[in-house]
Amino acid sequence: EPEVTQTPSHQVTQMGQEVILRCVPISNHLYFYWYRQILGQKVEFLVSFYNNEISEKSEIFDDQFSVERPDGSNFTLKIRSTKLEDSAMYFCASSERQGRSENSPLHFGNGTRLTVT
Amino acid sequence: AQSVAQPEDQVNVAEGNPLTVKCTYSVSGNPYLFWYVQYPNRGLQFLLKYITGDNLVKGSYGFEAEFNKSQTSFHLKKPSALVSDSALYFCAVRGFNDYKLSFGAGTTVTVRA
Repeated sequence: EPEVTQTPSHQVTQMGQEVILRCVPISNHLYFYWYRQILGQKVEFLVSFYNNEISEKSEIFDDQFSVERPDGSNFTLKIRSTKLEDSAMYFCASSERQGRSENSPLHFGNGTRLTVT
Repeated sequence: AQSVAQPEDQVNVAEGNPLTVKCTYSVSGNPYLFWYVQYPNRGLQFLLKYITGDNLVKGSYGFEAEFNKSQTSFHLKKPSALVSDSALYFCAVRGFNDYKLSFGAGTTVTVRA
């Protein structure tokens, strides 16, 4: 069964450094997402991406965050200048289609654990 | 604004007994409802969804969920729990015009042998 893959599984970085988290969504999926889960807290929506642009983003997704689909397969989340509070598990997800009459489930990757020191 | 409440942090059951994980939601308009399961150091795995139609939805691994519009609930159930069902379970809702999925805080299920 096709899977969403994320690399690296664990990233340690110093405060103020830039990080790029990488994801390869399922190949025929059109909608892409980033979520994060701070240890012991709920899964939070960051951003959704469709047709090469952001379709929705949360208050968490400020100017320090950006997403990109640089080629036909990768979907990346960049944090420009990391803060201690960015430490979390970051999940990439993709879905086949989404609309008023259809709602495909999101398929999640195994996550990247980001530790900011 | 949409939100999900999972009133129980933990549910403990004996193997072979029925399992219920509770979820209530708040959303404008008709809801799209989902259950996901998370095993340690893994991503969230889709279990089942409710979009429209029958209020009782069947999903993976013998799980089912019942949509109750009047009570705004979507409780997850399994008639006979297995030790391997021990995991963290998340309920999620999406509004009709939204892209984002809002998750509950999660319920840790422990099934003892």
